[in-house]
Order: sequence, then structure tokens, then C-alpha cells
Amino acid sequence: SAVISQKPSRDICQRGTSLTIQCQVDSQVTMMFWYRQQPGQSLTLIATANQGSEATYESGFVIDKFPISRPNLTFSTLTVSNMSPEDSSIYLCSTRQGDQPQHFGDGTRLSIL
Amino acid sequence: GENVEQHPSTLSVQEGDSAVIKCTYSDSASNYFPWYKQELGKRPQLIIDIRSNVGEKKDQRIAVTLNKTAKHFSLHITETQPEDSAVYFCAKSGGSYIPTFGRGTSLIVHP
Repeated sequence: SAVISQKPSRDICQRGTSLTIQCQVDSQVTMMFWYRQQPGQSLTLIATANQGSEATYESGFVIDKFPISRPNLTFSTLTVSNMSPEDSSIYLCSTRQGDQPQHFGDGTRLSIL
Repeated sequence: GENVEQHPSTLSVQEGDSAVIKCTYSDSASNYFPWYKQELGKRPQLIIDIRSNVGEKKDQRIAVTLNKTAKHFSLHITETQPEDSAVYFCAKSGGSYIPTFGRGTSLIVHP
């Protein structure tokens, strides 16, 4: 299975600032996903990032708030913009190659003061 | 994708007992059903999956069953151990390959 490296692993940020989370995969994958997970909650899909096209955002998430880059088949970034305390959460990168199983990075634990 | 309902939200068992978690869905397009285990502070990890052309799959103490007609699938853990304590998520996906996750089940195994 793909090895997914996500960084930073955690950060504490001031409100109004932005943070970019990086996701690096050790093999080429077609689909990369970004999830948000609140404590004790399920995984909420933010967007699907496919190389060579604009990210597809789920209802409730917009590009201005969560811009995503996917410059190649092994890398993606998620930026959390103009952060507020409500953005405090765990952000997870995930990959899937065709109909193969989906795998997750270790996540970024984000706290906004 | 359409929702997947997962029950129960919490399951408490004694060590050695069996645990069963059930998920139901409504769309006919779903054809892949994975289960993930997430320990506290860690990533979700795939523990078993099943595709729509199979009714049951086993891996040691873990098994998954799928009833396509009734649109439900279940995770079975036998001879539970304290290290099985975690949150378990079911998921489903179809032709778009974009998974939909259940709300999760917190399994507590008491020694």
C-alpha cells in the first residue's frame, strides 16, 4: 500500500492566519482526498484532488477557504485560510488508486487560538 | 455519495466475546465496502474489505458479510481482545471511487 507522509503533524495558529498542509505519497496515485475529523466524529470529505484538474469540493466547503493544489501524481497541499477557532480539527490526507483500497496519512492536528 | 448508516455508535463487550457492527446503505451503485479501525490519535487503517461479488470474507478473527439484496454489510470480530478497542468505520463506494463513511462505532473491550 502507498506510504503517505503528511506534515506538519500538528500546529497551533493564530486566528486570521493561514496554514498549508502537505501530503507526499511514495507512489503515483490518481485520487487524493482531504478530510476533516472533529474529535469523536467521523471523517468529513472536504474535497477530491485529481492531478491536472481543479479540486472538487463537497457541500459546505469552498475553494476560497480551502484552496488545494495537486501539481503531480505524488503530492498535494491543502491550505486552511483565514483560520478561526471553528477550524480546529484534524485534517487527513488520503489516497486511492482506482478501485484499490484507500489509505490515510497520519493527519495534521490543528488548533486555532 | 448517499449516506451509510452505522450501528451501534458504542459497543461494550467482555474480552473473549464477539462483536458485531452493522452498516446499511440505499444506493445500488455501491460495489466496494471497506472497514477501518482507528485507534486514539492515529490514522484510520484498513482492516478488511469486501466487494459486491462476494458474500463473506474472513481474516483470522475478523470477518465481513455483505447482503446486497438487503443493502447491509457487517463486521464480525470474534474472541475480542483489549487491543481491539478502537473506533471502527464502515465505508462504501461505487463507480466514482469516492468513499462515503459511516459515523463510527466505539468498541470497548473490557479485560
